[in-house]
Amino acid sequence: DAKTTQPTSMDCAEGRAANLPCNHSTISGNEYVYWYRQIHSQGPQYIIHGLKNNETNEMASLIITEDRKSSTLILPHATLRDTAVYYCIVRVAGTNDYKLSFGAGTTVTVRA
Amino acid sequence: EAGVTQFPSHSVIEKGQTVTLRCDPISGHDNLYWYRRVMGKEIKFLLHFVKESKQDESGMPNNRFLAERTGGTYSTLKVQPAELEDSGVYFCASSQVRTRGTDTQYFGPGTRLTVL
Repeated sequence: DAKTTQPTSMDCAEGRAANLPCNHSTISGNEYVYWYRQIHSQGPQYIIHGLKNNETNEMASLIITEDRKSSTLILPHATLRDTAVYYCIVRVAGTNDYKLSFGAGTTVTVRA
Repeated sequence: EAGVTQFPSHSVIEKGQTVTLRCDPISGHDNLYWYRRVMGKEIKFLLHFVKESKQDESGMPNNRFLAERTGGTYSTLKVQPAELEDSGVYFCASSQVRTRGTDTQYFGPGTRLTVL
């Protein structure tokens, strides 16, 4: 799977949008971009995933650049409960390799 | 719908003892995964079951770790004998069989293992 690069940490203000960048410049055509987060002492939580098109669900939006070399996770109205480590993961599809490769992620702190 | 559950939530054992962790996946999920995070390190994949069969056990650290999934429902992960470096948080995840080429894994709360 392609590797990803994320900032180590970022702060955002409560109520504002949080934009989390991820670089995956070596991504290939059959690789999906997944986002998970881990709130302290809990298991990783699935947020969203996409292949080429932008995606939105009740938690977040995922914006993938046209060349697919980077993406941005958007939390539209960050709350204190969104403080967590956010992981951008690239996964190949159509093979028997199912495992998720977690990196160090981005530690997001939402401040009141 | 109940999520992935894990038991126990915490376990403290002496070096050399045996510990068995249990994971109950979401009902109907044929894929079951074990991951772990040891102190200061990233979350790492251990193995993957499809129903009762081991699909990928490339992440299992050594033969002191034994995972089973009899009947394709819940899974157990046994560590025997436990060593100090086995301390960490063990996560289980489950997913449905892939559709459109990919699956979404849902994680349990983890079991925190401390080996003294």
